[in-house]
Amino acid sequence: GNSVTQMEGPVTLSEEAFLTINCTYTATGYPSLFWYVQYPGEGLQLLLKATKADDKGSNKGFEATYRKETTSFHLEKGSVQVSDSAVYFCALNRNTGNQFYFGTGTSLTVIP
Amino acid sequence: GAVVSQHPSRVICKSGTSVKIECRSLDFQATTMFWYRQFPKQSLMLMATSNEGSKATYEQGVEKDKFLINHASLTLSTLTVTSAHPEDSSFYICSASKGGSSYNEQFFGPGTRLTVL
Repeated sequence: GNSVTQMEGPVTLSEEAFLTINCTYTATGYPSLFWYVQYPGEGLQLLLKATKADDKGSNKGFEATYRKETTSFHLEKGSVQVSDSAVYFCALNRNTGNQFYFGTGTSLTVIP
Repeated sequence: GAVVSQHPSRVICKSGTSVKIECRSLDFQATTMFWYRQFPKQSLMLMATSNEGSKATYEQGVEKDKFLINHASLTLSTLTVTSAHPEDSSFYICSASKGGSSYNEQFFGPGTRLTVL
């Protein structure tokens, strides 16, 4: 089957700390992988994506590399800011339709 | 661009009543809309996929007579929870896809919190 497992939160970091949120997946075929972010009171927004193995998605200082050998897509940021406080969702799409499979979400709080 | 709205953002209703949730694509035409349900600390679970002008496709285990979906136009889809019960209390999120390729990015609404008393 298809599923996404991501690190449970909540995660609390000090400003300028290094962030890693782990995400692993199970999928048939060759999925595309995504990170979505949800700020308080808002919808999910696409943060970054990667469509094939070894691709690196990046946006707003966040990065994630599609690792087929470890079936992982860990999210990283070198120096977090208070404005990065949000819930982060890892997701996959099998590329054979529109269905997305989401992880449970990881809440991040960055304190000054 | 690509903004999706939902209305209402929060609704509280009595058991046995029906509740309608609207999902609108504000600045694009959505060929496909999706409805998800999210329980606390759990994943978004796809409930159904709807294409404009045709019947929705429901995921296994989702009661189509309980969760009525109407996608009457390219900018509006509605989810009606019929005869709601406390176990239907949840966070409902819609998303919309512009279409045009085998992979279509989905744009998500802010969600609707339903509480059934």
